[in-house]
Amino acid sequence: GESVGLHLPTLSVQEGDNSIINCAYSNSASDYFIWYKQESGKGPQFIIDIRSNMDKRQGQRVTVLLNKTVKHLSLQIAATQPGDSAVYFCAEQAYGNKLVFGAGTILRVKS
Amino acid sequence: EPEVTQTPSHQVTQMGQEVILRCVPISNHLYFYWYRQILGQKVEFLVSFYNNEISEKSEIFDDQFSVERPDGSNFTLKIRSTKLEDSAMYFCASSLAGGSSHTQYFGPGTRLTVL
Repeated sequence: GESVGLHLPTLSVQEGDNSIINCAYSNSASDYFIWYKQESGKGPQFIIDIRSNMDKRQGQRVTVLLNKTVKHLSLQIAATQPGDSAVYFCAEQAYGNKLVFGAGTILRVKS
Repeated sequence: EPEVTQTPSHQVTQMGQEVILRCVPISNHLYFYWYRQILGQKVEFLVSFYNNEISEKSEIFDDQFSVERPDGSNFTLKIRSTKLEDSAMYFCASSLAGGSSHTQYFGPGTRLTVL
């Protein structure tokens, strides 16, 4: 049959503003979570990760928040720049080695 | 900074033909993976490989697929008889160790087009 592409949510922000990208994960047994950035024609690029025994982790300009109660993950990007424009995926890992990716969010940064 | 590399960047093949997609994982990594992404869809896990054996595979990874580490640096994905629905981006990834908390680093992908 014909496959239907996902209609990815899009977040448009002004350059310099903060961005918040959200993700709902599916498996309550997942204990490791990662945010990846994917630019057009490239592979997923690691941004930041968090283990389930934490609820917040900060990197350079990025912060990941984890709420296990509602199975929610967010990525905050401070002072968003044009180079941040990409598709952002969350991924979860429960057991074994398989990463389960979310659908993705398109981030568009307006100059 | 070490990177995962993949060749070719784009492969066009006729339905029913065999294709081999190649990857060079990061040199000190021990776990290797293949994922695929059909256009406009999620990235999906295919297989993980450790110590010259498949450690985990998805339901997508049927008998048409195989993986191999033919030497100390390359990791390959073979599709024996390609179908139209195999058209996708195929990503190789590697990690230092397996299990959770070990980041998987992805290559740039090979775009496979089956005609």
